[in-house]
Amino acid sequence: EAQVTQNPRYLITVTGKKLTVTCSQNMNHEYMSWYRQDPGLGLRQIYYSMNVEVTDKGDVPEGYKVSRKEKRNFPLILESPSPNQTSLYFCASSLTYSGANVLTFGAGSRLTVL
Amino acid sequence: AQSVTQLDSQVPVFEEAPVELRCNYSSSVSVYLFWYVQYPNQGLQLLLKYLSGSTLVKGINGFEAEFNKSQTSFHLRKPSVHISDTAEYFCALDSGGGADGLTFGKGTHLIIQP
Repeated sequence: EAQVTQNPRYLITVTGKKLTVTCSQNMNHEYMSWYRQDPGLGLRQIYYSMNVEVTDKGDVPEGYKVSRKEKRNFPLILESPSPNQTSLYFCASSLTYSGANVLTFGAGSRLTVL
Repeated sequence: AQSVTQLDSQVPVFEEAPVELRCNYSSSVSVYLFWYVQYPNQGLQLLLKYLSGSTLVKGINGFEAEFNKSQTSFHLRKPSVHISDTAEYFCALDSGGGADGLTFGKGTHLIIQP
């Protein structure tokens, strides 16, 4: 089944403890992206990647890192999480980056930072 | 800069009644427009999209939307809703000019009352 898989789905952590949210897609998509969803704010893009080794900042990149060493994987790294990073995170991918291409979303990762 | 405005944060409607979820956008260039739906505890999935051509677009689950360039709107409609339509609905825009992803509205929570 074609899908985007995120792990963990739920995580509670403490301020300053490094964590990684993994994202993997099995569709050979070139484009991958991370969004965060907050009540009343909709979805905002954190980082995106056009292809392997090509990443760029989205609208809200502060406090996050990403890497794209393989086409299928696009992990989101929080080096020193803070409470304002408590949010619902979505990874998404599409075949290429073209505005006409539809994004396939993962099921989401709910992160709580205490 | 581009933006998407969803005029209602919540829309309550009785089962089997018609519904319209409003979306207005702002962009200085031609756009691609999307409606995504998020069911409880799930990721986003595409309802429908407008790329070009006919301004009336039909999607899944009986939804349709009309692109109105003069009014810069892309309202979503369904003639008769069901309990299973309870979800968060997001309007999104892409100007096709770069890889910086979709611009999402803040979402409309559709609440179906029996």
